[in-house]
Amino acid sequence: AQSVTQLDSHVSVSEGTPVLLRCNYSSSYSPSLFWYVQHPNKGLQLLLKYTSAATLVKGINGFEAEFKKSETSFHLTKPSAHMSDAAEYFCVVILLSGGYNKLIFGAGTRLAVHP
Amino acid sequence: DTEVTQTPKHLVMGMTNKKSLKCEQHMGHRAMYWYKQKAKKPPELMFVYSYEKLSINESVPSRFSPECPNSSLLNLHLHALQPEDSALYLCASSQEGAINQPQHFGDGTRLSIL
Repeated sequence: AQSVTQLDSHVSVSEGTPVLLRCNYSSSYSPSLFWYVQHPNKGLQLLLKYTSAATLVKGINGFEAEFKKSETSFHLTKPSAHMSDAAEYFCVVILLSGGYNKLIFGAGTRLAVHP
Repeated sequence: DTEVTQTPKHLVMGMTNKKSLKCEQHMGHRAMYWYKQKAKKPPELMFVYSYEKLSINESVPSRFSPECPNSSLLNLHLHALQPEDSALYLCASSQEGAINQPQHFGDGTRLSIL
């Protein structure tokens, strides 16, 4: 069965410091993994995706994530946080079910960025 | 700017009203989705349309009625809703049957039931 666990419900960083949002997955086959971001009163925006090509995936706005099969992890990082990064972040694993993509969401991590 | 457009952005309705939420995409996607999102929670899947046909209904109450009039449009008709139905309703679309293709989301309709 496919599942995702986001290890932190809240993360708080200072502007200009690194960001680490942790995600572990469980999958019975080689997974497709995504990170989405949701700003207040907005929909979900795709940050990046892993689809069994390169294990280090670069996304938008300076974010990247590394797929580690041995650790079943897909942590999201950014070298230097910006105030505009404050948002909710969802780690997602894809389940192909009945010909469509079913998104299995983690519970979310709320990132706060302080000046 | 999102490629999936939802209207209205906000909707307040009484429990006896009938209203509709609308979603439009022009990316040529043949799979479209409705989600419900409560505060501080991830989205929950409600319905999936594939090639304009309803593929999945995640045991959603009949007071929610989806409709897909063509490949670009998705509606959600609302009738006799309950206060617990207040939430953000998100529409999404994706390429059909491709596991590595992400879903693209609209900004949602914030629904409040009085």
